[in-house]
Amino acid sequence: GAVVSQHPSWVICKSGTSVKIECRSLDFQATTMFWYRQFPKQSLMLMATSNEGSKATYEQGVEKDKFLINHASLTLSTLTVTSAHPEDSSFYICSAAGTSGKREQFFGPGTRLTVL
Amino acid sequence: GQQVMQIPQYQHVQEGEDFTTYCNSSTTLSNIQWYKQRPGGHPVFLIQLVKSGEVKKQKRLTFQFGEAKKNSSLHITATQTTDVGTYFCAGPNDYKLSFGAGTTVTVRA
Repeated sequence: GAVVSQHPSWVICKSGTSVKIECRSLDFQATTMFWYRQFPKQSLMLMATSNEGSKATYEQGVEKDKFLINHASLTLSTLTVTSAHPEDSSFYICSAAGTSGKREQFFGPGTRLTVL
Repeated sequence: GQQVMQIPQYQHVQEGEDFTTYCNSSTTLSNIQWYKQRPGGHPVFLIQLVKSGEVKKQKRLTFQFGEAKKNSSLHITATQTTDVGTYFCAGPNDYKLSFGAGTTVTVRA
């Protein structure tokens, strides 16, 4: 159980285009999902917390208009990187909060974004 | 704000040897969680410790939560090549998790 999927697993796009990344909880309902960004050989940097049916909560320094988050259902959250630039190239990982009360997080496989 | 620190950042281990990685929080934690990320992969939840002084084992991995609930350790015995990866500790910070910088483990055969 507790499987989280992400799509696409990798994407290459031109500068100025927008890219949408999907995060799905496959076998449980996730009222809360998290979006992280990870640079090579670095830790996870939380970008925002996505709550089903409400606005996302962004971490300080993360532009909400650039990284659009939509959590339309209990199993799907999306992150759209708008007007992507090369500095947005990174590994984006989503996670879903577990429902066992432990507050552990189950991570998706990640999406590697390369902006040319 | 809450900070979670891990040392060492890198651990290069001879196969068969033991090693320990340490995690320290600037604040008292309600629990501590450990995750493992294999090269090219994503973090996978390993374990959660809740009680002061708690010790849990998973085969060759021993996790410990400090008495003051501000530090934790992961000890791996008889390291194998399958232990390669980055080990992160994480502490709850309101509804979020604060991750340490991780300890990246490499193994020489």
